Amino acid sequence: QSALTQPPSVAGSPGQSVTISCTGTNFDIGAYNRVSWYQQSPGTAPKLIIYEVSNRPSRVPDRFSGSKSANTASLNISGLLAEDEADYYCSSYTSSDTIVFGTGTKVTVL
Amino acid sequence: EVRLVESGGGLVRPGGSLRLSCAASGFTFNTYSMNWVRQAPGKGLEWVSSITSSSSFTYYADSVKGRFTVSRDNANNLLFLQMDSLTVEDTALYFCARRRVTYYLDHWGQGALVTVSS
Repeated sequence: QSALTQPPSVAGSPGQSVTISCTGTNFDIGAYNRVSWYQQSPGTAPKLIIYEVSNRPSRVPDRFSGSKSANTASLNISGLLAEDEADYYCSSYTSSDTIVFGTGTKVTVL
Repeated sequence: EVRLVESGGGLVRPGGSLRLSCAASGFTFNTYSMNWVRQAPGKGLEWVSSITSSSSFTYYADSVKGRFTVSRDNANNLLFLQMDSLTVEDTALYFCARRRVTYYLDHWGQGALVTVSS
């Protein structure tokens, strides 16, 4: 049950795009289209922003998009806003019928 | 409105026990699998445990297997996490979360803080 690998931090200026990678194995990301992404601001609970690789809950702006290729999933945030500054976590279903989270990425808006 | 409210957190000595509860409302509790996720201070999210809607199946992270027990009371819309043989590494904010069929967690509680310290 090793955590999925994410970069510790990414940064971008307002209006720019940033991409967060999430690397797993053939037993989680590579095997299933069950990748989700969560946004967590300081002192708050995580919030779902992407599910099933690329689907967005209705309340989430379309600036957030997800994709997957082989064992790596990606979250793209376009048109970066100050309010997007937060920690982001990927997650995947695993072949052990469990869930594994990524190591987390801090997004900084310059 | 879906609402999940954890309770039961607190300070406990190493080797001690604690039971967390999660009160659910705003949805048909007995049709959803539920999960516990924790976050150590300043650290990332760690999946802890899950239980299916009718309690038929339970799952645990290796780090808590044999020490933690998840259960639920569908009559009263409650989820529990019994934590035994606690160590300092179990210090964390514990979240309960509702799980959808394809294993994403669409609603989370605000968390219950568990501190294990002598």
